Order: sequence, then structure tokens, then C-alpha cells
Amino acid sequence: SQQGEEDPQALSIQEGENATMNCSYKTSINNLQWYRQNSGRGLVHLILIRSNEREKHSGRLRVTLDTSKKSSSLLITASRAADTASYFCATVRGSTLGRLYFGRGTQLTVWP
Amino acid sequence: KAGVTQTPRYLIKTRGQQVTLSCSPISGHRSVSWYQQTPGQGLQFLFEYFSETQRNKGNFPGRFSGRQFSNSRSEMNVSTLELGDSALYLCASSFRGDKNIQYFGAGTRLSVL
Repeated sequence: SQQGEEDPQALSIQEGENATMNCSYKTSINNLQWYRQNSGRGLVHLILIRSNEREKHSGRLRVTLDTSKKSSSLLITASRAADTASYFCATVRGSTLGRLYFGRGTQLTVWP
Repeated sequence: KAGVTQTPRYLIKTRGQQVTLSCSPISGHRSVSWYQQTPGQGLQFLFEYFSETQRNKGNFPGRFSGRQFSNSRSEMNVSTLELGDSALYLCASSFRGDKNIQYFGAGTRLSVL
């Protein structure tokens, strides 16, 4: 079963704009990760934020985590057409370290 | 380092047949996880192996099984295939530290006719 839900399900923007995706989850977590998937391919890890962190940056990516609201957001700044992909949040629970619980994903389309 | 390799990339089978998918993890990674991805159910966890032992199992019927060899390579088997088993099957390997960052293969696209 899915652990979380992404919002929105689909997002369409122009190159140069910022893209914000949100994720909610239901139980306590060890960490939360964001992955990217290009059309039917494997997933690529983007960024990880631990449960005791509130914000992380990596290049054009910014992730926030609010454990009191059980939610996270991923911000991609200055989007490019190459950022077009599906983005998934995934959580890790302390009791099942070998397993990722994925949300349903956000399909991002960036128009040139 | 070479990435996670899944073979075959595409498979077409008929109902009732069985299928075996293979996954070679990144060198040094001892944890291998399998996921099923469908448009309707999204990404669903199948099972995870670490040092040849199944450590976690998702909510799939017994027709889905797997194993891991001493070199960490893993196979997944689905018996008595059903139409609903059509999916992208993803394998991921991890060093199995506390972060559990997983590295995914390109997947095997299984079509059941």
C-alpha cells in the first residue's frame, strides 16, 4: 500500500519557472527521500532529508520537512525542459530499513 | 562502478506461464529490493533480501517469490501468471546503511497476454 500522497498529481510549467511538489505521509519516519523517474525507466535518487532536519539543499533542489504535519515539499528552481519527469517521495521507517514506501508521484512537464 | 543491471528488459508471456527476472546489484551492495509499478497501484514493494535472507516482504500472493545468491545477485519468480501481473518490475540495491538510499535498475517490462 502507498505510504504517502503527492500533490499535485500533475504540474505543467514553463522553463525558468519554479516547480513545487508536496508529499504527505502517515506514520513516523527515519528519513524521507525524493526520487525522479523518466518515462518508464528506473528511479534516480535526488535528495534525502532526515527526520530531525527541516530543510536541505542540493543544487537547484530544496526540500523541506515538517514532521508535525507529516509533510514534505520539493522545490525545483529555474526549471528546465530536461526536468520533465515523474517525482516520487519515499519514506523509510526505522523498523523496515530495506523498504521504501512510495507516494503516487507528481508528473512534471516543463515546456521550453 | 557499474549500476544495477536488470535482465531481460522486456518480456511477453501468456497467462499461466511462469517467469524469472534477474537483478545484479552495484558491487558491494548487499541489499536488494524489488518493486512492482503499475499505473493503477503505483510503486508497490515486493520483498527485500540481505545476505541471502529475505528481510522484508510486501503484501503479494505466494506466486511471487525471490532469492538472493552469495554474490548478492537476485532473482524474482512469478508463477501462474495473471493478466494483472503486467507491470514494470524494478530492482534496487542498497548498501544497507541507515539512510537506505536505493539505486534502481532500468526495470523489466512484463506483459502478460
